[in-house]
Amino acid sequence: DIQMTQSPSSLSASVGDRVTITCRASQGISNYLAWYQQKPGKVPKLLIYAASTLQSGVPSRFSGSGSGTDFTLTISSLQPEDVATYYCQKYNSAPETFGQGTKVEIK
Amino acid sequence: QVQLQESGPGLVKPSQTLSLTCTVSGGSISSGSYYWSWIRQPAGKGLEWIGRIYTSGSTNYNPSLKSRVTISVDTSKNQFSLKLSSVTAADTAVYYCARGTDYCSSTSCYGGYDYWGQGTLVTVSS
Repeated sequence: DIQMTQSPSSLSASVGDRVTITCRASQGISNYLAWYQQKPGKVPKLLIYAASTLQSGVPSRFSGSGSGTDFTLTISSLQPEDVATYYCQKYNSAPETFGQGTKVEIK
Repeated sequence: QVQLQESGPGLVKPSQTLSLTCTVSGGSISSGSYYWSWIRQPAGKGLEWIGRIYTSGSTNYNPSLKSRVTISVDTSKNQFSLKLSSVTAADTAVYYCARGTDYCSSTSCYGGYDYWGQGTLVTVSS
Protein backbone atom coordinates (compact mmCIF):
# COMPACT_ATOMS: atom_id res chain seq x y z
CA ASP A 1 0.00 0.00 0.00
CA ILE A 2 1.08 3.56 -0.67
CA GLN A 3 1.99 5.60 2.39
CA MET A 4 1.54 9.36 2.60
CA THR A 5 4.01 11.30 4.76
CA GLN A 6 3.50 14.94 5.64
CA SER A 7 6.02 17.40 6.99
CA PRO A 8 6.26 19.17 9.25
CA SER A 9 3.83 17.65 11.76
CA SER A 10 3.25 21.14 13.16
CA LEU A 11 4.31 24.69 12.50
CA SER A 12 3.88 28.12 13.98
CA ALA A 13 3.97 31.20 11.76
CA SER A 14 3.02 34.85 11.90
CA VAL A 15 0.02 36.40 10.22
CA GLY A 16 0.99 37.26 6.67
CA ASP A 17 3.71 34.64 6.44
CA ARG A 18 4.00 32.24 3.55
CA VAL A 19 3.44 28.68 4.78
CA THR A 20 4.37 25.50 2.95
CA ILE A 21 3.39 21.95 3.85
CA THR A 22 4.80 18.98 2.01
CA CYS A 23 3.32 15.57 1.34
CA ARG A 24 5.32 12.66 -0.03
CA ALA A 25 3.88 9.45 -1.46
CA SER A 26 5.83 6.21 -1.12
CA GLN A 27 5.06 5.48 -4.78
CA GLY A 28 4.01 7.67 -7.67
CA ILE A 29 0.35 8.70 -7.61
CA SER A 30 0.29 10.99 -10.66
CA ASN A 31 -1.80 13.96 -9.51
CA TYR A 32 -4.43 12.01 -7.55
CA LEU A 33 -3.85 14.11 -4.47
CA ALA A 34 -6.27 16.14 -2.36
CA TRP A 35 -5.73 18.54 0.52
CA TYR A 36 -8.16 19.10 3.40
CA GLN A 37 -8.44 21.65 6.17
CA GLN A 38 -9.88 20.60 9.52
CA LYS A 39 -10.53 23.25 12.11
CA PRO A 40 -10.85 22.15 15.75
CA GLY A 41 -14.10 20.32 16.34
CA LYS A 42 -15.14 20.64 12.70
CA VAL A 43 -15.56 18.43 9.68
CA PRO A 44 -12.69 18.24 7.17
CA LYS A 45 -13.08 20.58 4.22
CA LEU A 46 -11.78 19.88 0.73
CA LEU A 47 -9.35 22.61 -0.34
CA ILE A 48 -7.57 21.24 -3.37
CA TYR A 49 -7.94 18.23 -5.66
CA ALA A 50 -5.97 16.92 -8.59
CA ALA A 51 -2.92 18.26 -6.71
CA SER A 52 -3.42 21.85 -7.80
CA THR A 53 -7.10 22.60 -8.52
CA LEU A 54 -8.74 24.87 -5.98
CA GLN A 55 -12.15 23.71 -4.78
CA SER A 56 -14.91 26.22 -5.41
CA GLY A 57 -15.13 28.86 -2.67
CA VAL A 58 -11.63 28.29 -1.28
CA PRO A 59 -9.60 31.50 -0.91
CA SER A 60 -6.94 32.03 -3.56
CA ARG A 61 -4.18 32.29 -0.94
CA PHE A 62 -4.27 28.48 -0.91
CA SER A 63 -2.45 26.70 -3.71
CA GLY A 64 -1.17 23.23 -4.42
CA SER A 65 1.53 21.80 -6.63
CA GLY A 66 3.34 18.61 -7.41
CA SER A 67 2.99 15.36 -9.25
CA GLY A 68 4.24 11.83 -8.84
CA THR A 69 5.53 11.52 -5.29
CA ASP A 70 6.10 15.06 -4.01
CA PHE A 71 3.40 17.60 -3.34
CA THR A 72 3.07 20.92 -1.56
CA LEU A 73 0.27 22.99 -0.09
CA THR A 74 1.07 26.69 0.18
CA ILE A 75 -0.74 29.42 2.06
CA SER A 76 0.59 32.61 0.52
CA SER A 77 -0.35 34.89 3.41
CA LEU A 78 -1.38 33.15 6.62
CA GLN A 79 -4.58 34.45 8.20
CA PRO A 80 -5.91 33.83 11.72
CA GLU A 81 -8.79 31.79 10.29
CA ASP A 82 -6.28 29.38 8.72
CA VAL A 83 -5.46 27.86 12.11
CA ALA A 84 -6.26 24.21 11.50
CA THR A 85 -4.83 20.81 10.79
CA TYR A 86 -4.17 20.09 7.12
CA TYR A 87 -4.25 16.61 5.60
CA CYS A 88 -3.17 15.31 2.24
CA GLN A 89 -4.93 12.27 0.78
CA LYS A 90 -4.32 10.06 -2.19
CA TYR A 91 -7.38 8.96 -4.08
CA ASN A 92 -8.19 6.97 -7.22
CA SER A 93 -6.73 3.57 -6.30
CA ALA A 94 -7.60 1.98 -2.96
CA PRO A 95 -6.76 2.28 -0.15
CA GLU A 96 -7.23 6.03 -0.11
CA THR A 97 -4.61 6.92 2.46
CA PHE A 98 -4.41 10.17 4.40
CA GLY A 99 -1.24 11.82 5.58
CA GLN A 100 -0.81 12.13 9.34
CA GLY A 101 -1.68 15.83 9.33
CA THR A 102 0.10 19.15 9.84
CA LYS A 103 -1.10 21.44 12.60
CA VAL A 104 -0.80 25.13 11.73
CA GLU A 105 -0.79 27.71 14.50
CA ILE A 106 -0.29 31.46 14.72
CA LYS A 107 2.90 32.67 16.36
CA GLN B 1 -27.11 21.05 -1.80
CA VAL B 2 -26.06 17.51 -0.96
CA GLN B 3 -26.16 16.61 2.72
CA LEU B 4 -24.99 13.48 4.51
CA GLN B 5 -26.14 12.39 7.94
CA GLU B 6 -24.72 9.53 10.00
CA SER B 7 -26.94 7.60 12.37
CA GLY B 8 -26.47 4.67 14.72
CA PRO B 9 -25.61 3.72 18.30
CA GLY B 10 -23.10 5.90 20.08
CA LEU B 11 -22.05 3.10 22.41
CA VAL B 12 -21.04 -0.41 21.39
CA LYS B 13 -19.81 -3.19 23.64
CA PRO B 14 -16.44 -4.85 22.99
CA SER B 15 -16.59 -7.83 20.62
CA GLN B 16 -19.93 -6.65 19.20
CA THR B 17 -20.64 -5.17 15.77
CA LEU B 18 -20.69 -1.43 15.13
CA SER B 19 -23.43 -0.46 12.67
CA LEU B 20 -23.84 2.98 11.14
CA THR B 21 -26.00 4.34 8.34
CA CYS B 22 -25.43 7.42 6.22
CA THR B 23 -28.48 9.05 4.68
CA VAL B 24 -27.89 11.20 1.63
CA SER B 25 -30.26 14.07 0.87
CA GLY B 26 -30.33 16.77 -1.77
CA GLY B 27 -29.53 14.39 -4.58
CA SER B 28 -29.71 10.78 -5.65
CA ILE B 29 -26.99 8.51 -4.34
CA SER B 30 -26.99 6.87 -7.76
CA SER B 31 -26.44 9.97 -9.87
CA GLY B 32 -23.12 11.24 -11.06
CA SER B 33 -19.64 9.78 -10.93
CA TYR B 34 -19.40 9.36 -7.17
CA TYR B 35 -18.52 6.80 -4.57
CA TRP B 36 -19.48 6.74 -0.93
CA SER B 37 -17.05 6.24 1.90
CA TRP B 38 -16.54 5.86 5.62
CA ILE B 39 -13.67 7.63 7.35
CA ARG B 40 -12.92 7.68 11.06
CA GLN B 41 -10.91 9.80 13.46
CA PRO B 42 -9.95 8.79 17.00
CA ALA B 43 -9.88 11.67 19.44
CA GLY B 44 -6.83 13.84 18.90
CA LYS B 45 -5.61 11.74 15.98
CA GLY B 46 -5.66 11.81 12.20
CA LEU B 47 -8.10 10.61 9.59
CA GLU B 48 -8.30 6.92 8.73
CA TRP B 49 -9.99 5.74 5.54
CA ILE B 50 -12.21 2.72 6.21
CA GLY B 51 -13.59 1.94 2.78
CA ARG B 52 -15.84 2.95 -0.09
CA ILE B 53 -18.72 1.68 -2.17
CA TYR B 54 -19.92 2.50 -5.64
CA THR B 55 -23.64 2.32 -6.35
CA SER B 56 -22.90 -0.69 -8.52
CA GLY B 57 -22.10 -2.41 -5.23
CA SER B 58 -18.36 -2.60 -5.83
CA THR B 59 -16.37 -2.06 -2.64
CA ASN B 60 -12.83 -1.37 -1.49
CA TYR B 61 -11.63 -1.62 2.09
CA ASN B 62 -8.65 -0.55 4.17
CA PRO B 63 -6.47 -3.69 4.35
CA SER B 64 -5.97 -3.18 8.08
CA LEU B 65 -9.75 -3.46 8.65
CA LYS B 66 -10.81 -5.60 5.72
CA SER B 67 -11.51 -8.76 7.69
CA ARG B 68 -14.00 -6.89 9.92
CA VAL B 69 -15.64 -4.35 7.59
CA THR B 70 -18.68 -4.50 5.37
CA ILE B 71 -20.04 -1.49 3.49
CA SER B 72 -23.36 -1.78 1.70
CA VAL B 73 -25.68 0.53 -0.21
CA ASP B 74 -29.45 0.81 -0.45
CA THR B 75 -30.20 3.02 -3.41
CA SER B 76 -33.96 2.87 -2.80
CA LYS B 77 -33.43 4.59 0.55
CA ASN B 78 -30.55 6.79 -0.61
CA GLN B 79 -28.41 5.31 2.13
CA PHE B 80 -25.20 3.42 2.61
CA SER B 81 -24.06 1.58 5.70
CA LEU B 82 -21.03 0.44 7.65
CA LYS B 83 -20.65 -2.69 9.74
CA LEU B 84 -17.49 -3.24 11.76
CA SER B 85 -17.34 -6.50 13.67
CA SER B 86 -15.43 -7.61 16.75
CA VAL B 87 -14.86 -4.08 17.94
CA THR B 88 -12.38 -3.10 20.63
CA ALA B 89 -11.59 0.14 22.41
CA ALA B 90 -9.24 0.97 19.52
CA ASP B 91 -12.31 1.40 17.31
CA THR B 92 -13.56 4.30 19.42
CA ALA B 93 -13.64 7.29 17.09
CA VAL B 94 -15.71 9.87 15.29
CA TYR B 95 -17.04 8.16 12.19
CA TYR B 96 -17.69 10.25 9.08
CA CYS B 97 -19.48 9.36 5.91
CA ALA B 98 -18.41 11.24 2.80
CA ARG B 99 -18.97 11.54 -0.95
CA GLY B 100 -15.94 10.94 -3.10
CA THR B 101 -15.28 11.54 -6.74
CA ASP B 102 -12.55 10.72 -9.18
CA TYR B 103 -13.44 11.39 -12.76
CA CYS B 104 -12.46 13.48 -15.71
CA SER B 105 -14.74 15.30 -18.08
CA SER B 106 -13.57 16.43 -21.49
CA THR B 107 -12.10 19.55 -19.92
CA SER B 108 -11.39 18.91 -16.22
CA CYS B 109 -10.58 16.23 -13.67
CA TYR B 110 -12.19 16.08 -10.23
CA GLY B 111 -11.35 14.24 -7.04
CA GLY B 112 -11.45 14.05 -3.29
CA TYR B 113 -14.23 14.13 -0.74
CA ASP B 114 -16.39 17.19 -1.31
CA TYR B 115 -19.30 16.45 1.03
CA TRP B 116 -19.06 15.03 4.54
CA GLY B 117 -21.49 14.16 7.28
CA GLN B 118 -21.08 15.98 10.57
CA GLY B 119 -19.58 12.88 12.15
CA THR B 120 -20.84 10.62 14.90
CA LEU B 121 -18.89 9.55 17.96
CA VAL B 122 -18.89 5.83 18.58
CA THR B 123 -17.48 4.66 21.88
CA VAL B 124 -16.57 1.02 22.45
CA SER B 125 -16.98 0.22 26.11
CA SER B 126 -18.68 -2.29 28.35
